[in-house]
Amino acid sequence: QKEVEQDPGPLSVPEGAIVSLNCTYSNSAFQYFMWYRQYSRKGPELLMYTYSSGNKEDGRFTAQVDKSSKYISLFIRDSQPSDSATYLCAMSTRNTNAGKSTFGDGTTLTVKP
Amino acid sequence: NAGVTQTPKFQVLKTGQSMTLQCAQDMNHEYMSWYRQDPGMGLRLIHYSVGAGITDQGEVPNGYNVSRSTTEDFPLRLLLAAPSQTSVYFCASALTISGNTIYFGEGSWLTVV
Repeated sequence: QKEVEQDPGPLSVPEGAIVSLNCTYSNSAFQYFMWYRQYSRKGPELLMYTYSSGNKEDGRFTAQVDKSSKYISLFIRDSQPSDSATYLCAMSTRNTNAGKSTFGDGTTLTVKP
Repeated sequence: NAGVTQTPKFQVLKTGQSMTLQCAQDMNHEYMSWYRQDPGMGLRLIHYSVGAGITDQGEVPNGYNVSRSTTEDFPLRLLLAAPSQTSVYFCASALTISGNTIYFGEGSWLTVV
């Protein structure tokens, strides 16, 4: 069983919809939770970073971490065609942080105009 | 600001050939790493370096060599290419291994026939 499982998708939504992207994990030592966005034929770029449990909001994006359930989510409000990309969740322990993150497989999102 | 630069972007190799994927960063980052990305397997760490002269193995190091003679450069060498090494390779860097943000290059698409 993988340490990080991500909803496989693909996901297709109309413009303006609220999108929920989700990951579960098994390693209770994970304390740092990241979401990366990867456009087609490009490298991943950091979108959101959260430490421990709670919510973090940045514009239309909200990252949510529930450590008790070992579950993280990324919500996108008022989704736009420019949000069409693959979203990767990533996690790391206290000692490794970004350096040796464990990544999910990614969920491909298409937002249709 | 160039960030993380990878070359070549596309390469076709024959089984048994060798080649080097180049990676350079201009952000004076201590930490550099190589990942491969395969469908259904996410991003997997191949090798990483926490500074010039220091390298270590990641999750999938077999078949790959690295060296770090300067802070800026971190080449990945395939000595005897195999079809199983067909993948997309990403170089990444961070200020330190404990940094919260990884910066990825744009990727190198490698096909071994």
